[in-house]
Amino acid sequence: EVQLVQSGAEVKKPGESLKISCKGSGYSFTSYWIGWVRQMPGKGLEWMGVIFPGDSDTRYRPSFQGQVTISADKSITTAYLQWSSLKASDTAMYYCVRHYFGGTGYYFDYWGQGTLVTVSS
Amino acid sequence: EILMTQSPATLSVSPGERATLSCRASESVSSNLAWYQQKPGQAPRLLIYGASTRATGIPARFSGSGSETEFTLTISSLQSENFAVYYCQQYNTWPYTFGQGTKLEIK
Repeated sequence: EVQLVQSGAEVKKPGESLKISCKGSGYSFTSYWIGWVRQMPGKGLEWMGVIFPGDSDTRYRPSFQGQVTISADKSITTAYLQWSSLKASDTAMYYCVRHYFGGTGYYFDYWGQGTLVTVSS
Repeated sequence: EILMTQSPATLSVSPGERATLSCRASESVSSNLAWYQQKPGQAPRLLIYGASTRATGIPARFSGSGSETEFTLTISSLQSENFAVYYCQQYNTWPYTFGQGTKLEIK
């Protein structure tokens, strides 16, 4: 059974750093792109970026480039999303998503349970 | 980036009736369109991909249609568990983009 299990909720102050995780199991971790989707409070879904754990190739949505870093450790089948300096506007639920190739691009066939990040002074 | 626009923002339908949700792309995405369902407090779930193919375990009352820029998700004979927010997503072009969602509520 494919599972994406994310790390727990975080409460941080502005300016602090953070790294959240997503552990994949039940499939070949190095064969699928895995990415992150943001959902701000009461809002819709935004695709942030993606990594291919097999070779660490990474793509970012332009608005997130330089704001976050996506990485993966294939030895422990875990993907990460990190910030070096959090802002209040980073407060959101973050979902990791497995990307499945649909012929031209990728849709998201499995989702993690979400990690709530709250940034407040 | 491709803008996805869903309508209506909120749809009120009675149980047992049919719901029709629309999604429009700002440029052609061919059939590279997926639909997701999100219930309160839960992660989204894949319903439809390729504009019209149901994902594993999705009941036949969910159907998708359309291509290029106009897409529709139809839910026939609504059940109580179908009241949720629905998102469309294009995966034709990076960056992948979602519609703003349609909230399907009980009338």
